[in-house]
Amino acid sequence: EAGVAQSPRYKIIEKRQSVAFWCNPISGHATLYWYQQILGQGPKLLIQFQNNGVVDDSQLPKDRFSAERLKGVDSTLKIQPAKLEDSAVYLCASSHQGANTEAFFGQGTRLTVV
Amino acid sequence: GQNIDQPTEMTATEGAIVQINCTYQTSGFNGLFWYQQHAGEAPTFLSYNVLDGLEEKGRFSSFLSRSKGYSYLLLKELQMKDSASYLCAVRDLTSGTYKYIFGTGTRLKVLA
Repeated sequence: EAGVAQSPRYKIIEKRQSVAFWCNPISGHATLYWYQQILGQGPKLLIQFQNNGVVDDSQLPKDRFSAERLKGVDSTLKIQPAKLEDSAVYLCASSHQGANTEAFFGQGTRLTVV
Repeated sequence: GQNIDQPTEMTATEGAIVQINCTYQTSGFNGLFWYQQHAGEAPTFLSYNVLDGLEEKGRFSSFLSRSKGYSYLLLKELQMKDSASYLCAVRDLTSGTYKYIFGTGTRLKVLA
């Protein structure tokens, strides 16, 4: 089965610019997660979707970050305007909503804000 | 609240055994996961425990004690390719929704 697809793999932008990341989860996975992973740290959950609804966005900096999953499949995460501290890897993951299952991760997008 | 602790770094020798510990606090515990993450790559699933005890999968084993909020990942017959970060993650079930909460990861260096 195809894995979680993310694009782009790398992005360099200047501070105050905007950027968007795209994720295509594994087919049939109802739950989609966006994580931010700063170098040397574990992934931090930004937002979680169940189908096309948001179930948790408590750690999303909503003044600059937004995400959507309009048709319950693909998702985009946007940052506008970017700050230097947003430099990180943005990981998308998906899973079934079942007990005996794990989350599968995409390769991530490495964002550098200069 | 939720809290996951694991050592930041560990070093071991090729062929040896290493144990990576993880302690956690969460209100809606629904399973503990270990992921391996090589530098610049995505985390990949290693093991899953939801009941107390040991789960063995080849060279890797994972243990869970729910009463102590404690897990460990045991790696045997270490190989150079095992040099990676190992992430402990708790699945939390609150309000009918599963969430995966990660620790900061343990960076393991395997030396020849």
